[in-house]
Amino acid sequence: GAGVSQSPSNKVTEKGKDVELRCDPISGHTALYWYRQSLGQGLEFLIYFQGNSAPDKSGLPSDRFSAERTGGSVSTLTIQRTQQEDSAVYLCASSTPGGRGNEQFFGPGTRLTVL
Amino acid sequence: DQQVKQNSPSLSVQEGRISILNCDYTNSMFDYFLWYKKYPAEGPTFLISISSIKDKNEDGRFTVFLNKSAKHLSLHIVPSQPGDSAVYFCAASGSTGGSYIPTFGRGTSLIVHP
Repeated sequence: GAGVSQSPSNKVTEKGKDVELRCDPISGHTALYWYRQSLGQGLEFLIYFQGNSAPDKSGLPSDRFSAERTGGSVSTLTIQRTQQEDSAVYLCASSTPGGRGNEQFFGPGTRLTVL
Repeated sequence: DQQVKQNSPSLSVQEGRISILNCDYTNSMFDYFLWYKKYPAEGPTFLISISSIKDKNEDGRFTVFLNKSAKHLSLHIVPSQPGDSAVYFCAASGSTGGSYIPTFGRGTSLIVHP
């Protein structure tokens, strides 16, 4: 079956531009997470969606970052006025209800490079 | 402040031998632990997990050991195979406001030599 997909796979942008990253979770998964992995670092939590509940935005590093999830499925992570320190691999994951023990299924990631 | 630490950035092992990957955590509220494996240009994939009510969980060649008093867990792979070469992430979760968002370590790169 189809796994988690992300697009684009690579994105190169200039400092100050806005970017949108897309995630298509596994059908039926109600929980969706965004992480980023900077060079030499672990996975840094950004935002979590669970069903119709208000998202947990506690990991977003600044107000330049925002995300939405439409219809409980596709999610878009938007970074406004990109900075060089935003360069990283952005990973999306989905899972069944998002409780303890529910393994996360990750997409291949979007590699963002800000020049 | 890293709550989940993987202090060895890399590990090199001969094929057929045992690989031991270590992970330490600081938050005593963590009660569920997972290991993920990541190949280049792919997302992490779930490998094995353990609840804090257990001290060992085994799945084929993979065994995870949990020492709660030491806040330490380890992943044993035996026998190691070249296809096991990947980055391994340790993750820990616990209830925070009702959600279980895992906290990940920085990963250990395992290389298994033929």
